[in-house]
Amino acid sequence: AQTVTQSQPEMSVQEAETVTLSCTYDTSESDYYLFWYKQPPSRQMILVIRQEAYKQQNATENRFSVNFQKAAKSFSLKISDSQLGDAAMYFCAYRSAMYGGSQGNLIFGKGTKLSVKP
Amino acid sequence: GAGVSQSPSNKVTEKGKDVELRCDPISGHTALYWYRQSLGQGLEFLIYFQGNSAPDKSGLPSDRFSAERTGGSVSTLTIQRTQQEDSAVYLCASSLVGHLTNTEAFFGQGTRLTVV
Repeated sequence: AQTVTQSQPEMSVQEAETVTLSCTYDTSESDYYLFWYKQPPSRQMILVIRQEAYKQQNATENRFSVNFQKAAKSFSLKISDSQLGDAAMYFCAYRSAMYGGSQGNLIFGKGTKLSVKP
Repeated sequence: GAGVSQSPSNKVTEKGKDVELRCDPISGHTALYWYRQSLGQGLEFLIYFQGNSAPDKSGLPSDRFSAERTGGSVSTLTIQRTQQEDSAVYLCASSLVGHLTNTEAFFGQGTRLTVV
């Protein structure tokens, strides 16, 4: 079974600085998807960025980028120019590219709480 | 609808009562997920529906929990004989999943369940 591990329960960053959140996963599959979700206090889960495992190029979305290391099964999120609105829980998630039955389920890490200091 | 809709937003119930939580996924989404999130904790997987396949119920914590998805659309999560430890936010998500098609999951706002 696949697992997702986020080893940093809490992180803190100064406004305008850069922070990196770590995520590792375990799978025997070769084709899958990885996601970072943000959950602010409003509890609405919002997709930040996603990565297809077959793509070697790291995904970027404005100030958010990932460092995807497939061989190491690592998927870290870098937030540049941190803003107060970035303060939230961040969850890393994995999903197989297969579907049907139990495959295709979305598996989450336990989350990292990010604080942004003004 | 434009997004995933969950109802009610908040539910307070007495210990021992049954509750039903509803999820309206995005139209056309084949996959539907239920998660439970206790205060300040991560997402605990409950159940996953994908098209006409048998649901993955491996995350349901006890036989007091059940869920169904009618017509491949609306889903209802039922908790029978509620206990105080059932108090949590219940999140529903949907996505379009299929061969060569795979989008991110979109989440509802959740139902905050409080058992008193």
